Amino acid sequence: NAGVTQTPKFQVLKTGQSMTLQCAQDMNHNSMYWYRQDPGMGLRLIYYSASEGTTDKGEVPNGYNVSRLNKREFSLRLESAAPSQTSVYFCASCVSSYNEQFFGPGTRLTVL
Amino acid sequence: AQSVTQLDSHVSVSEGTPVLLRCNYSSSYSPSLFWYVQHPNKGLQLLLKYTSAATLVKGINGFEAEFKKSETSFHLTKPSAHMSDAAEYFCVVSDRGTNAGKSTFGDGTTLTVKP
Repeated sequence: NAGVTQTPKFQVLKTGQSMTLQCAQDMNHNSMYWYRQDPGMGLRLIYYSASEGTTDKGEVPNGYNVSRLNKREFSLRLESAAPSQTSVYFCASCVSSYNEQFFGPGTRLTVL
Repeated sequence: AQSVTQLDSHVSVSEGTPVLLRCNYSSSYSPSLFWYVQHPNKGLQLLLKYTSAATLVKGINGFEAEFKKSETSFHLTKPSAHMSDAAEYFCVVSDRGTNAGKSTFGDGTTLTVKP
């Protein structure tokens, strides 16, 4: 039982490049989330998926897209990376929206 | 609308002394409240949660928190700090209203434990 896994752990991009962050959970959770964490700002919600087949914008969705591929997997795509997207990205999942979330180890992304 | 305010960005205590991390929330509906801990370069781990059962909630590693509706607070306490408690702590609110499905995180409190 691996919990929530994220790939890659580290990534360096140049401005304008694209990439996809992968997230998978093996706990049969319905809801999945993508956050970014910047110093002094806590975690901010980018997108979430309350259940398979649905996605909704969070607090800071601009510049990102998501895909809920199936119940296990929820990917985050940066189409044209910008230095402002330098951050640590966390994926999380939970049984339902009002329960505790389980977090992945994070992806540290630097955009030059 | 829901929001959460962590009243102290940094708290410093000596090992063996009590810990108090303060959190106030705002919610139009019955909220669920959580405290998470994040050690350096790690993911977030749940310390404890309140989901409308007992107002005094006990968590892992000796931490507890009390839900006070009249004060809209959910402060985190521990009787005796340990060096391993040094970390970042986040208070989180989630309600069943228009923000259903979303959680709001506080900005975090950095706990330093001095020997």
